[in-house]
Amino acid sequence: QQPVQSPQAVILREGEDAVINCSSSKALYSVHWYRQKHGEAPVFLMILLKGGEQKGHEKISASFNEKKQQSSLYLTASQLSYSGTYFCGTEVYTGNQFYFGTGTSLTVIP
Amino acid sequence: GAGVSQSPRYKVAKRGQDVALRCDPISGHVSLFWYQQALGQGPEFLTYFQNEAQLDKSGLPSDRFFAERPEGSVSTLKIQRTQQEDSAVYLCASSLGGQGSRFRSGTEAFFGQGTRLTVV
Repeated sequence: QQPVQSPQAVILREGEDAVINCSSSKALYSVHWYRQKHGEAPVFLMILLKGGEQKGHEKISASFNEKKQQSSLYLTASQLSYSGTYFCGTEVYTGNQFYFGTGTSLTVIP
Repeated sequence: GAGVSQSPRYKVAKRGQDVALRCDPISGHVSLFWYQQALGQGPEFLTYFQNEAQLDKSGLPSDRFFAERPEGSVSTLKIQRTQQEDSAVYLCASSLGGQGSRFRSGTEAFFGQGTRLTVV
């Protein structure tokens, strides 16, 4: 039930780009993306509702492919502040379940 | 308050002891969620309230776990006879939600800082 994220971990130099993928085995109603810094609560980044929808948040954007039951988070020109663990959250059509993904640890170094 | 508030921030319990964790959601938020997050893992769903109604408790790991939200605002997660495997951070989240909705457009979830429970 839990969506699978890839990669598990990534290290970037400041200014580099990264892509984080989230894949579900269930048909999805929506996908959410959160970032959690160590010892802190997850912070909402964005929600995507429709198949093929794309959204942007500063230099962070995401896409949602409803058919493939996948979402990707794109981080461009990464900054030190982007470091943290990124979680996708998926809401399925059936039932009331909402699952967080396995997480991707992102570290940006100078 | 301005955000979701959880108390206590840290709790150390002896195995077998009962604990109660409190969540004060953002005023006016209909939906309230409890999650359990083990070290290095993603949050795992425990239970969901819409106002005072507990609509989904399928994630509660055993009958030792009990949650309530009697007046549709503050919620308490109670764990009876704590065991070492209960050690985790317990996160509470609230959202505006709405009729029949969970996380829907414009209804992002706001998380509290969590309660770190250590059972010794």
